[in-house]
Order: sequence, then structure tokens, then C-alpha cells
Amino acid sequence: KAGVTQTPRYLIKTRGQQVTLSCSPISGHRSVSWYQQTPGQGLQFLFEYFSETQRNKGNFPGRFSGRQFSNSRSEMNVSTLELGDSALYLCASSPSLGARETQYFGPGTRLLVL
Amino acid sequence: TQLLEQSPQFLSIQEGENLTVYCNSSSVFSSLQWYRQEPGEGPVLLVTVVTGGEVKKLKRLTFQFGDARKDSSLHITAAQPGDTGLYLCAGPPSGTYKYIFGTGTRLKVLA
Repeated sequence: KAGVTQTPRYLIKTRGQQVTLSCSPISGHRSVSWYQQTPGQGLQFLFEYFSETQRNKGNFPGRFSGRQFSNSRSEMNVSTLELGDSALYLCASSPSLGARETQYFGPGTRLLVL
Repeated sequence: TQLLEQSPQFLSIQEGENLTVYCNSSSVFSSLQWYRQEPGEGPVLLVTVVTGGEVKKLKRLTFQFGDARKDSSLHITAAQPGDTGLYLCAGPPSGTYKYIFGTGTRLKVLA
């Protein structure tokens, strides 16, 4: 069974731009969660999607948004990029809503904002 | 604020040595998971502990969940260079829908 895939793996943007990251979950997994990982703050939860609806949200500004498609694939968007948005963005999929104890992570997208 | 504090933050040891990583909180957790993350990759789930006092073994790794479900430990016996990585504990605080990651322990095992 294929794992969680994320594209692109690396991205360089400049301040003020916007970016879209993509995540394909494990086949059959319906829940997708997004996390931001930085050296200073560690791993922080952004949001969780299930059945095309955002079910849970972390403490991030509205510039961070996402969506989920009917095939469970998910995208995350960050608008008006700031230098502090430079991070590894991780996507994780799990079989059902809230089943974070059985989530599987993708390799991440490393975003650098200049 | 519900936090998961891990100690030590960094650990550099020689191959063959034993080590213990701690994960502590003032909050009760429904369960705790341990992950290992290697550079450029996402975290990989190692184990889930659910019951207070539970001990799980995974080859040379022993995981323990505290009786009060507020803390956990990971013990590695005879560490090998392949054990090098960032170890993270994580879990959902009881009665919440949150999922919190620990501060992480970066382990380096020297050959």
C-alpha cells in the first residue's frame, strides 16, 4: 500500500506570495491533518479534514487554509507569506476522524520564504 | 496550556550504550504515541501506549506509560547508529480533541 505523498517536496517563495501544498493520503484513509514543524516551535497542529470538511483547527491565523476533495486528497494554502512561515509542512492521514493515534505522516514539504 | 516536555533535549552517545528519554506533562492523556523522525522525512509511529502502567517492547526499545497517564519513557538498550533521529512523544489530552507533540529529543549514536 502506498504511503502518504506530498508535493512539492521543496519550495522557495518570497514574502507576500501565496503557496499551495498538496497531500495524497493512504488509500482508504479519510482523515487528513496538517502540521507545521519549525526548530523553535516544534510540531504544531494546523487543521484536520474529514469528508471534505474542516473538523478541527489549531491556533494559526486565517492566512492558513485548506480543503479536502472527494477522493480525500487535501491541499493547504498559505497567503501573504511571511518569513516566519518558513517550515516543514507535514501531512498525516488516518482511517477516521480524530484517530490521531493511528496517523501516518508524509515526507513533508519544506518551504523557505525569502 | 497542555504541554509535553521531553528530556533530554539532545543526547549524543556511543554505540552500545543504553539511554532513556522522558516525556512529561501535568495533564492526563488518553494515550501517548512515540515517533522517530529522520532528517528530511516525516515522523514514523513507533508505538502507542494506552493503559496507565503499560509497558511495550519493540526489539531494543521499551516504552512505558506512567500509572497516572501523565508521563512516558522510552528506553533504548545497546543503541546503534541506526537509532539516530528525533524522538517525539505525542497524544490527545483526556477530554479534549487536541493532539499535542512533545518538544522532542534529538539522539545521535556514534559508531
